[in-house]
Amino acid sequence: AQSVTQPDIHITVSEGASLELRCNYSYGATPYLFWYVQSPGQGLQLLLKYFSGDTLVQGIKGFEAEFKRSQSSFNLRKPSVHWSDAAEYFCAVGAGGQNFVFGPGTRLSVLP
Amino acid sequence: GAVVSQHPSRVICKSGTSVKIECRSLDFQATTMFWYRQFPKQSLMLMATSNEGSKATYEQGVEKDKFLINHASLTLSTLTVTSAHPEDSSFYICSAREAGSAKNIQYFGAGTRLSVL
Repeated sequence: AQSVTQPDIHITVSEGASLELRCNYSYGATPYLFWYVQSPGQGLQLLLKYFSGDTLVQGIKGFEAEFKRSQSSFNLRKPSVHWSDAAEYFCAVGAGGQNFVFGPGTRLSVLP
Repeated sequence: GAVVSQHPSRVICKSGTSVKIECRSLDFQATTMFWYRQFPKQSLMLMATSNEGSKATYEQGVEKDKFLINHASLTLSTLTVTSAHPEDSSFYICSAREAGSAKNIQYFGAGTRLSVL
């Protein structure tokens, strides 16, 4: 069965610092992997996705993520965090035609 | 990018009434739409998968007579919470997958906050 874990429930970083949010998945085949961001009271916005090919994918808002098959990970990174990045971040896995499985989410707080 | 509109964004109703939530794909056709429920500080819980022109597929534990889903066109799906009670208060989010897309990208609406008094 598919599953997604996000080990960090809450992360706090200072504005301008680098960020890495962890995501590990369990899936029987090559997964499609996604990162979404949710601001309070809002829906989810797609940050980036991985289907195949280059394992380092670039997304919107300066985010990137790296797919590491050997570690079953798809960690999200940003070199310099902005205050507006404070939000909830969800990692999801889902191959073609299948439903998504979301991780529990990581809440990011940004200190001024 | 693809836009999904969800309406209303917030609704307050009395216990026993029914509430309808609309989910529209504005610039693409969606053969499949999804309805999720999200409790405070928790992840999204898939309630049902809605396919255009056919009956929705409900996840285990979700009452299909309580949460009526209609997907009458390629751009519109509705979720009706029938005889709502306070325990139905939650944040409901829809998403849509583009027709013919093998990439399984879901685009999300902004969500509906339901408060049942």
